[in-house]
Amino acid sequence: DVKVTQSSRYLVKRTGEKVFLECVQDMDHENMFWYRQDPGLGLRLIYFSYDVKMKEKGDIPEGYSVSREKKERFSLILESASTNQTSMYLCASSGQGAYYGYTFGSGTRLTVV
Amino acid sequence: AQSVSQHNHHVILSEAASLELGCNYSYGGTVNLFWYVQYPGQHLQLLLKYFSGDPLVKGIKGFEAEFIKSKFSFNLRKPSVQWSDTAEYFCAVNGGGNNRKLIWGLGTSLAVNP
Repeated sequence: DVKVTQSSRYLVKRTGEKVFLECVQDMDHENMFWYRQDPGLGLRLIYFSYDVKMKEKGDIPEGYSVSREKKERFSLILESASTNQTSMYLCASSGQGAYYGYTFGSGTRLTVV
Repeated sequence: AQSVSQHNHHVILSEAASLELGCNYSYGGTVNLFWYVQYPGQHLQLLLKYFSGDPLVKGIKGFEAEFIKSKFSFNLRKPSVQWSDTAEYFCAVNGGGNNRKLIWGLGTSLAVNP
């Protein structure tokens, strides 16, 4: 089974801190995605990547950046954390082609105080 | 713009009741359709998917969904729900070919009372 691992399950950070969320997948998937999940708002795409060093903005990229230096790892960076970035962050990966669904990690619940 | 609409935001059922969750999408071309489930405290997981062939697809745990192209719909069904089906359900769609980005519905929260 594909495994997507997010480095932290719960994280508490202070306003203004730079925050790194890490995601690693073990099935050589080309595509990786970062979402945030908030009650009533569903899943909102922050950034995605189709290949190493490639990235594209999703629907809500403001205040975030990403890094994909290796195929298996996709990092989400909050440049200066703010309280409105308190959320559940989900990482997902998928194989090549539209047929493949996504495999999700367990999520990181980030609280910014 | 492409979109996915899930009509029911919250559904409450008793055990053994039948379930149908609506999902409609707007997309002009070939589509791949997905239902995901998120049990309380767990990660999102694939319930079932449609990409071609028989429009009635069967997934895990007794769920099925029917793709009706003329109605742009992909409704999820289960004849008899159990308490363990309590979860949030998400419908998603992407275009065929090389389109890898999923468009998501807002989700439906299902509570099954024992």
